[in-house]
Amino acid sequence: GPKVLQIPSHQIIDMGQMVTLNCDPVSNHLYFYWYKQILGQQMEFLVNFYNGKVMEKSKLFKDQFSVERPDGSYFTLKIQPTALEDSAVYFCASSLGWGGAQNTLYFGAGTRLSVL
Amino acid sequence: QQQVRQSPQSLTVWEGETTILNCSYEDSTFDYFPWYRQFPGKSPALLIAISLVSNKKEDGRFTIFFNKREKKLSLHITDSQPGDSATYFCAAIDRGSALGRLHFGAGTQLIVIP
Repeated sequence: GPKVLQIPSHQIIDMGQMVTLNCDPVSNHLYFYWYKQILGQQMEFLVNFYNGKVMEKSKLFKDQFSVERPDGSYFTLKIQPTALEDSAVYFCASSLGWGGAQNTLYFGAGTRLSVL
Repeated sequence: QQQVRQSPQSLTVWEGETTILNCSYEDSTFDYFPWYRQFPGKSPALLIAISLVSNKKEDGRFTIFFNKREKKLSLHITDSQPGDSATYFCAAIDRGSALGRLHFGAGTQLIVIP
């Protein structure tokens, strides 16, 4: 099936540093998402992105977070500066359309971020 | 505040038994309910989904039963197999959301013993 690739699979950084998580979405998808999963808890919505813009973001999407997809390359999540509570697995997802059956999200395998 | 709740948190069944995973929600604007399955270390993948207009959705050994009045769903897995061992997430889409954002439950970890 369609694949979403996330790079790297694991990132370890010191608190206060900047980190960029990369996502290569399904090639013909138009809608992109980031979700955050703390170990043992549910995936929580961070942000969705369409046509070069953030459409919705949750309270978890702090001011230190930003997303972009320059020129159809990687869809990135940047955290600057990082905090200890940012340690989690970050899942990228993409979908062809939105709403109901068209909104099947295809997820990447996640990037495990460890902030020390 | 959890908008989608799942129970039990974990479940162990014997091979061949029927597994029942429960899900409930609060928000009346939810209108589409996909279930995702996640194997350890892998990405969550869509398993089966149901919309507000249906009471039941079947796909092979997997069936969703939907009680709209009580805002409850259940996923039944008949003839459970060891390969079904995974975490199952119930999710809901808010039709009021600009891009149909998904609200996930905390998941049920299923172990099927041969």
